[in-house]
Amino acid sequence: QVQLVESGGGVVQPGGSLTLSCAASAFTFSTYGMQWVRQAPGKGLEWVSLIWNHGGNKYYADSVKGRFTVSRDNAKDTLYLQMDSLRAEDTAVYYCARAPYNSVWGDIWGQGTMVTVSS
Amino acid sequence: QSALTQPASVSGSPGQSITLSCVGTFDDVGAYNFVSWYQQNPGKAPKLLIYDVNNRPSGVSDRFSGSKSGNTASLTISGLQPEDEADYYCNSYSSSTTRVVFGGGTKLTVL
Repeated sequence: QVQLVESGGGVVQPGGSLTLSCAASAFTFSTYGMQWVRQAPGKGLEWVSLIWNHGGNKYYADSVKGRFTVSRDNAKDTLYLQMDSLRAEDTAVYYCARAPYNSVWGDIWGQGTMVTVSS
Repeated sequence: QSALTQPASVSGSPGQSITLSCVGTFDDVGAYNFVSWYQQNPGKAPKLLIYDVNNRPSGVSDRFSGSKSGNTASLTISGLQPEDEADYYCNSYSSSTTRVVFGGGTKLTVL
């Protein structure tokens, strides 16, 4: 069935880097925009990034702009989030979500991957 | 501080109808019909309930409906059921530098 599976989370020191992946299956990945949304422990949802289906348009939350880079490989049906200069406040569960019509809503979500930034 | 304002908690009884509010500004909710609503159960991923103000994805119960008036969007749940107890989040497109904004979430308790 239609599915998104995130991976790559873990524990990283402040200032470090981490790359998350989101593997898509059972739908035509190249025709959908994709988003990253995060949720700090016990907190609400925070939008992180959106990339259009062709990868040419990318958008970021102010809180991650200049530190995070979203990309995709349509040949591999995979979405990525390169996270650099990580801070304690980046600690969260990171979800990827499918964005039909390159929209700002997500109709299919992955199970999430935990990122902990701590020394 | 979230960009969109939602009440922290609401409660209702089984069978009742309840409306959750989401207050934005003329930069987001008031200017665009790109409001969506999500339901999240503890430890689970969010589930899309409503998109583009009042559209329901296939498979979502028609007990959930969305609307908008000015800078305020609303999610109405009719015939409240125990399984509706969850956290609910609104979000919207925004013309600010952060393109997408979420509300802080509302915890719904079914008494």
